[in-house]
Amino acid sequence: DSGVTQTPKHLITATGQRVTLRCSPRSGDLSVYWYQQSLDQGLQFLIQYYNGEERAKGNILERFSAQQFPDLHSELNLSSLELGDSALYFCASSVGREQGAYTQYFGPGTRLTVL
Amino acid sequence: AQTVTQSQPEMSVQEAETVTLSCTYDTSESDYYLFWYKQPPSRQMILVIRQEAYKQQNATENRFSVNFQKAAKSFSLKISDSQLGDAAMYFCAYRSNNNNDMRFGAGTRLTVKP
Repeated sequence: DSGVTQTPKHLITATGQRVTLRCSPRSGDLSVYWYQQSLDQGLQFLIQYYNGEERAKGNILERFSAQQFPDLHSELNLSSLELGDSALYFCASSVGREQGAYTQYFGPGTRLTVL
Repeated sequence: AQTVTQSQPEMSVQEAETVTLSCTYDTSESDYYLFWYKQPPSRQMILVIRQEAYKQQNATENRFSVNFQKAAKSFSLKISDSQLGDAAMYFCAYRSNNNNDMRFGAGTRLTVKP
């Protein structure tokens, strides 16, 4: 158990819909990262928040947005869903701000299926 | 766009032997970081070693060392005296210092045989 929690574990929805994925980081970690993992694209970094502020942005679509709240939990919002958005979405946390400088602890992931 | 390629989906090594995992990347930038991460079944992404592109000296962390060839855009990881606990998925990653975007390779699954 990494200490990072993600809900829900599974999500099945239809094209055009909007969903929210939730992540709680490990106690004491200030950085939260979101990743998308699919069979054909591998692990894709989406976005990083550090202590409530956006710190780094990766390959995140405009239809996706995220935020980190004062209690440090984070939410990833996916809208106008397409079939290609079906994937495993991971949240990770680390203690520091500099991406890559610290071990990242991954949550169990949310499996999103878009039908 | 930067891409990271790990051409070895799986590798196997005998305990106590040495193994090298390959990684190449493509970029037009001059200022960046490279990383190797280890991901055991617990799914932590454990930082193994990192290399700043401006440093010519290869990074070393105990039994782990890299061979950084900037001109060739190659960043291989050497694991010496392999241990059973080294068995995991290994990811090579690139981070731009311009926008902090992080790119990962597809990973190499390392098996260590006793």
